[in-house]
Amino acid sequence: AQSVTQLGSHVSVSEGALVLLRCNYSSSVPPYLFWYVQYPNQGLQLLLKYTSAATLVKGINGFEAEFKKSETSFHLTKPSAHMSDAAEYFCAVSENTGNQFYFGTGTSLTVIP
Amino acid sequence: KAGVTQTPRYLIKTRGQQVTLSCSPISGHRSVSWYQQTPGQGLQFLFEYFSETQRNKGNFPGRFSGRQFSNSRSEMNVSTLELGDSALYLCASSLLLAGGDGANVLTFGAGSRLTVL
Repeated sequence: AQSVTQLGSHVSVSEGALVLLRCNYSSSVPPYLFWYVQYPNQGLQLLLKYTSAATLVKGINGFEAEFKKSETSFHLTKPSAHMSDAAEYFCAVSENTGNQFYFGTGTSLTVIP
Repeated sequence: KAGVTQTPRYLIKTRGQQVTLSCSPISGHRSVSWYQQTPGQGLQFLFEYFSETQRNKGNFPGRFSGRQFSNSRSEMNVSTLELGDSALYLCASSLLLAGGDGANVLTFGAGSRLTVL
């Protein structure tokens, strides 16, 4: 079975600082990887997805993630944090074209003015 | 284009009661998945429906059930509610493409927040 580990349930950064949210996955086959963001009282919104076309994936709102097979990682980064980035971020993996996704436990991002 | 609509958004029930939650997917999306989100467990997969058939099921007791109608709308039901069923229940729909890059993107609704007293 798939599993996703997000290191750090809470991350705080200063406005303008680098955002780094960590995600490691376990998969016996090349996975599809996703990052979703959840704002308070809302559902999850797709930030970006990795589908093997390119290891560096660019998403919305200035976020990007790099797939590193040797490290089984898919960390999310943003060069400069904005107050509006404060939210819960979820890394997810699916094995194939099916719709059974496995989510990490989430990382709550706080941006300090 | 309307998004995924879940109703009701908030509801309060007491132990032993049952509840039915509804999900209307994005027009044209035939796959609907349900997830339970709690602070301690995160998002856990409940089940997925495609063309009125349950394709996958997560590790939940039989009290949790669902169905999908011919118009792709889906409902989930929880019977004999327990305190631990208090959660945000999220529905997601997708196109379930057969080709392309193979990755099906889930589009989530805002969720139904269930409180069991």
